[in-house]
Amino acid sequence: ETGVTQSPTHLIKTRGQQVTLRCSSQSGHNTVSWYQQALGQGPQFIFQYYREEENGRGNFPPRFSGLQFPNYSSELNVNALELDDSALYLCASSLPTGGYYGYTFGSGTRLTVV
Amino acid sequence: DAKTTQPPSMDCAEGRAANLPCNHSTISGNEYVYWYRQIHSQGPQYIIHGLKNNETNEMASLIITEDRKSSTLILPHATLRDTAVYYCIVRAASFGNEKLTFGTGTRLTIIP
Repeated sequence: ETGVTQSPTHLIKTRGQQVTLRCSSQSGHNTVSWYQQALGQGPQFIFQYYREEENGRGNFPPRFSGLQFPNYSSELNVNALELDDSALYLCASSLPTGGYYGYTFGSGTRLTVV
Repeated sequence: DAKTTQPPSMDCAEGRAANLPCNHSTISGNEYVYWYRQIHSQGPQYIIHGLKNNETNEMASLIITEDRKSSTLILPHATLRDTAVYYCIVRAASFGNEKLTFGTGTRLTIIP
């Protein structure tokens, strides 16, 4: 079975720009979550999508938005980039069981804002 | 979700058992204990979870105390590939409570 695939792996953007990160979930998984991990910190929950609807959101401003598509793939969009948005962005997929059997994470997209 | 406390770092000799402790004194009756690990430059990897009984799978064993206020993850024969940051997470495994709340974890270093 395939795992979670994220693209791109690395990205450099300028402050004020917009960015779109992409995630393909593991086969059979229909729930996708996004996390932000700053250097030296644990991942922080951004939001989750189930059946193309947002299903829970962490403490992130509205300029962080997302989409989930009918094939369960997902996008994370960040507008008006700030320097503090520099981080590893992780996508995780799971069965619709509240992650009872665990989430499968991708290797992430390393975003650098300059 | 209840908070967890883990030591910031630990060393273990290769081939020996690695025992990683976690304190979760405010855990509620419907909350499970989950363990994930993150190897450098990769996403977190699910290891194991449990409610109140000890659990074992191909990766590790999880020992939860009778009062459920603490637990220990055991890697029975540690290898260099087990060097990683290990996260202990407590959460209710119910639909609608989706997020994982990561702390700073324990950085486990396996010594050759």
